[in-house]
Amino acid sequence: EVQLVESGGDLVQPGGYLRLSCAASGFTFSNYWMHWVRQAPGKGLVWVSRINGDGASTNYADSVKGRFTISRDNAKNTLYLQMNSLRAEDTALYYCARRLTGVGTFDIWGQGTMVTVSS
Amino acid sequence: EIVMTSSPATLSVSPGETATLSCRASQSLSSKLAWFQQKPGQAPRLLIYDTSTRATGIPARFSGSGSGTEYTLTISSLQSEDFAIYYCQQYNDWQWTFGQGTKVEIK
Repeated sequence: EVQLVESGGDLVQPGGYLRLSCAASGFTFSNYWMHWVRQAPGKGLVWVSRINGDGASTNYADSVKGRFTISRDNAKNTLYLQMNSLRAEDTALYYCARRLTGVGTFDIWGQGTMVTVSS
Repeated sequence: EIVMTSSPATLSVSPGETATLSCRASQSLSSKLAWFQQKPGQAPRLLIYDTSTRATGIPARFSGSGSGTEYTLTISSLQSEDFAIYYCQQYNDWQWTFGQGTKVEIK
């Protein structure tokens, strides 16, 4: 079964840091671009970052550029999001998502991990 | 960044009727438009990509159309499980963006 499972979400103080993980199974992880998408409580979906299959190419939303770093370990079938200098507005449910082959959208999503930034 | 505008914000429909959801982009998408369904407490589910191609396992009552900056998701003969929030998403630009969502509720 194709599956993505996020972990690492927590309550953290403003200015703090956190690393999210996304464990992939059921498919050849290294063949796929991967993304992070977040959703603030009661709000819509916002794209955060993406990484290509070998990890050599990344992109970020302007709101997180310079603070977040996406990476992957294909040997461990795991995607990461290092989040530094966290702000209250980063509070959200963070989903990892797989890019549909040959298409720019996302066909498989995890269930999300919650990040709360508050003092 | 391409801005996506969904309408209406809320759509009240009776079971068995047809729901028509709209999405407008701030610039042409060259048909690189997807639709997602999200139910409370669940992750989004891909319904439609490339404007009109149904994703694996999606029933035929879901259909998409459009071009340029105007796109539509039509849900025919609404079933109880179709009441949810629907998001459009563009992937013509590398800064992937979503509409704010349309909630389809029971009338």
